[in-house]
Amino acid sequence: SYVLTQPPSVSVAPGKTARIICGGNSIGSKSVHWYQQKPGQAPVLVIYYDSDRPSGIPERFSGSNSGNTATLTISRVEAGDEADYYCQVWDSSSDHANWVFGGGTKLTVL
Amino acid sequence: EVQLVESGGGLVQPGGSLRLSCTASGFTFTNYAMTWVRQAPGKGLEWVSAISGSGGSTYYADSVKGRFTISRDNSKNTLYLQMNSLRVEDTAVYYCAKDSEDCSSTSCYAPFDYWGQGTLVTVSS
Repeated sequence: SYVLTQPPSVSVAPGKTARIICGGNSIGSKSVHWYQQKPGQAPVLVIYYDSDRPSGIPERFSGSNSGNTATLTISRVEAGDEADYYCQVWDSSSDHANWVFGGGTKLTVL
Repeated sequence: EVQLVESGGGLVQPGGSLRLSCTASGFTFTNYAMTWVRQAPGKGLEWVSAISGSGGSTYYADSVKGRFTISRDNSKNTLYLQMNSLRVEDTAVYYCAKDSEDCSSTSCYAPFDYWGQGTLVTVSS
């Protein structure tokens, strides 16, 4: 089955840039979606189809996807960005099509 | 305004059954695929099951296939998850989510643009 690998944690100072990676075999050939989840809340879509932003999501959030790595970039990080972030792809490469989530990355704002 | 409200969670013994419901409003329900995602305490997100807008196509994670059944009643704008033969490891918050598109003939690939607040299922003796 397809596996998405994320670092468990990333730390960044306010005002700096955070990059959260999501690794997967030839992930660049798939569409990647990213979700933000704050404690006690439901996830929120922040990036879809690799680099599109839903309405209401700040321009500080951006995404890219190539080769074996997809990246969520958060510029000018704010305290309110502290959350868990999950990448997601639809995998139809096996005989059993399904959604796959990465293990999640906890973003800490120092 | 899109709203998704889950219900039906609770405490159940191993081997028992439970049916979750998700009542939707604020969009044309039949036009969109719907999904269940769960999150065990302190763990990450795990996709459970998806269903096309018509209900004609369903998809399941290996961990629940043969035990869980997803369905929908488009006349009631309601999504269901029938959970049988429950195990301790099924303990989680279960979220319903709206896909941003319907499934194609072979896959459901659209992101989840709205989520409910979740309902807790606890499987314990």
